[in-house]
Amino acid sequence: DGGITQSPKYLFRKEGQNVTLSCEQNLNHDAMYWYRQDPGQGLRLIYYSQIVNDFQKGDIAEGYSVSREKKESFPLTVTSAQKNPTAFYLCASSSQGQIYEQYFGPGTRLTVT
Amino acid sequence: AQSVTQLDSQVPVFEEAPVELRCNYSSSVSVYLFWYVQYPNQGLQLLLKYLSGSTLVESINGFEAEFNKSQTSFHLRKPSVHISDTAEYFCAVSRGGAQKLVFGQGTRLTINP
Repeated sequence: DGGITQSPKYLFRKEGQNVTLSCEQNLNHDAMYWYRQDPGQGLRLIYYSQIVNDFQKGDIAEGYSVSREKKESFPLTVTSAQKNPTAFYLCASSSQGQIYEQYFGPGTRLTVT
Repeated sequence: AQSVTQLDSQVPVFEEAPVELRCNYSSSVSVYLFWYVQYPNQGLQLLLKYLSGSTLVESINGFEAEFNKSQTSFHLRKPSVHISDTAEYFCAVSRGGAQKLVFGQGTRLTINP
């Protein structure tokens, strides 16, 4: 079955530690996205990538970093510089011709204490 | 810049009652419009989309939305809801040619028996 996998589903970290969230897709999609979801704020775009080895900042990129070394993979690192990292993180992908029709993974809930 | 406003953060209704979830957008150019649904602890799924043509679009599970250009709205309706429709619903907009979606804050639909 084609789809997007995110791991782990729940992640706990101590403040000051960097943490990397995994996102893998086997849909052969060119574009991939990372969103952050907080209650009452909808989804906010962190980073997106339209092609391997290229990515752009979204609306709230500060404190985050990404890489796109393979078409299938788009890992997100939440650094210690992110002031409020506890949130639900969603990864999505879309084909180049249909950027607006995005397929989402199940999400990772990160808790930092 | 584009923005999306979902006017209700929560909408409680009784089972088999009709429902309308409101969405307004701001954009000076033509847009593509979407409704996504998020069931508890899951990622988002595309519910329906307006790209062009008929202003009334329908989903396979009985939802419909109407694009109203003069009122810059894309409200979501269902004539009779079911318990299984309990979810959070997100309206999203993409400007033609843009590489990303802008999401509203979400509306939590709660169905009471």
